[in-house]
Amino acid sequence: DQQVKQNSPSLSVQEGRISILNCDYTNSMFDYFLWYKKYPAEGPTFLISISSIKDKNEDGRFTVFLNKSAKHLSLHIVPSQPGDSAVYFCAATGSGNTGKLIFGQGTTLQVKP
Amino acid sequence: DAGVIQSPRHEVTEMGQEVTLRCKPISGHNSLFWYRQTMMRGLELLIYFNNNVPIDDSGMPEDRFSAKMPNASFSTLKIQPSEPRDSAVYFCASSLSFGSYNEQFFGPGTRLTVL
Repeated sequence: DQQVKQNSPSLSVQEGRISILNCDYTNSMFDYFLWYKKYPAEGPTFLISISSIKDKNEDGRFTVFLNKSAKHLSLHIVPSQPGDSAVYFCAATGSGNTGKLIFGQGTTLQVKP
Repeated sequence: DAGVIQSPRHEVTEMGQEVTLRCKPISGHNSLFWYRQTMMRGLELLIYFNNNVPIDDSGMPEDRFSAKMPNASFSTLKIQPSEPRDSAVYFCASSLSFGSYNEQFFGPGTRLTVL
């Protein structure tokens, strides 16, 4: 059972435009959400996170929005740059601070020059 | 800092053979995680350790999979016997301390192909 889902396997946007990556979760006990970014032949790297007590967290060009009632979060990248082309993984955790992250399947973002 | 080190980077083996993947976490990190990445399921947590002790191995798919952490600077993931469906990229990650809110640092991964 996939508790964290990224339903769009891929996304293509033009340089300078906004990229919106979506993620849905099913477990209401999750209280902390993260986005990781992965380039080919490298491991994922942490990008941005959000606690369930907030509905928005911003870091430069990256903003994560959380809608708890819909069990949905999204990552906005504005403006998108070719160097943002990568696989983006959504992850969730909580319910006891176990150290366990549940990841989604990933979305491949391509930013065209 | 060298980051998380994994070896080998690529492994090609035949069905039925034993495969051992190796990981060296970042020095000073107390928690270590093994993940498997596939197209269908994304990143799946297989097992994780805190202070060299396995905490949760519920993600280990079958008894063919085993993991050890004999000391703070080394861990292995073994598959015996290997099967074609084990083909995937296996990642090791470490974090400074135990807890969901600590950033996990990933190694470059081992791409395993079982023929």
